[in-house]
Amino acid sequence: EPEVTQTPSHQVTQMGQEVILRCVPISNHLYFYWYRQILGQKVEFLVSFYNNEISEKSEIFDDQFSVERPDGSNFTLKIRSTKLEDSAMYFCASVRRRGSTDTQYFGPGTRLTVL
Amino acid sequence: GQQVMQIPQYQHVQEGEDFTTYCNSSTTLSNIQWYKQRPGGHPVFLIQLVKSGEVKKQKRLTFQFGEAKKNSSLHITATQTTDVGTYFCAGPTEYGNKLVFGAGTILRVKS
Repeated sequence: EPEVTQTPSHQVTQMGQEVILRCVPISNHLYFYWYRQILGQKVEFLVSFYNNEISEKSEIFDDQFSVERPDGSNFTLKIRSTKLEDSAMYFCASVRRRGSTDTQYFGPGTRLTVL
Repeated sequence: GQQVMQIPQYQHVQEGEDFTTYCNSSTTLSNIQWYKQRPGGHPVFLIQLVKSGEVKKQKRLTFQFGEAKKNSSLHITATQTTDVGTYFCAGPTEYGNKLVFGAGTILRVKS
């Protein structure tokens, strides 16, 4: 069964450094998402992406965050200058089409630790 | 904005006991989705309910969607140690299909 993949599984970085989290969505999916989950808390929406542009973003997704689909397969989340509070699990998700009855498939996540 | 509340936050049961988690949305939902997250894992899709009053079963799991499409429940009959994890409900927003998650219910099963 097709699945969403994410790399790296764990990233440790110093505060102020830039990180790039990578995702490979399911190949025939057209809509992509980033969510994050701070340890012990619920999953929170960050941003959605379609047709090479951001569809929607949350308050969390400030100027330090950016997303990109540099080629036909990868979908990346960049944090320019990490803060301690960025430490969380970051999940990528994809869905085949934009419709509220379609299932979002989540990747295994990247655990980001900011020291 | 849309909020999804979930209770209880935590439940510790003896193996063989039943378990129920409840989910309430501040707005009417087009559908509700349930996910299970094992400790250290990622959310795994369990089921989606679309119709008002819908009830679906997956082996020992029973999912219900309220008549008003604002609440839902997940009931596990005769829990097993493999059921441990956090169960999240999530609903799509009206104008997009980003998911708004409940806070989750952590289930621990004592054997």
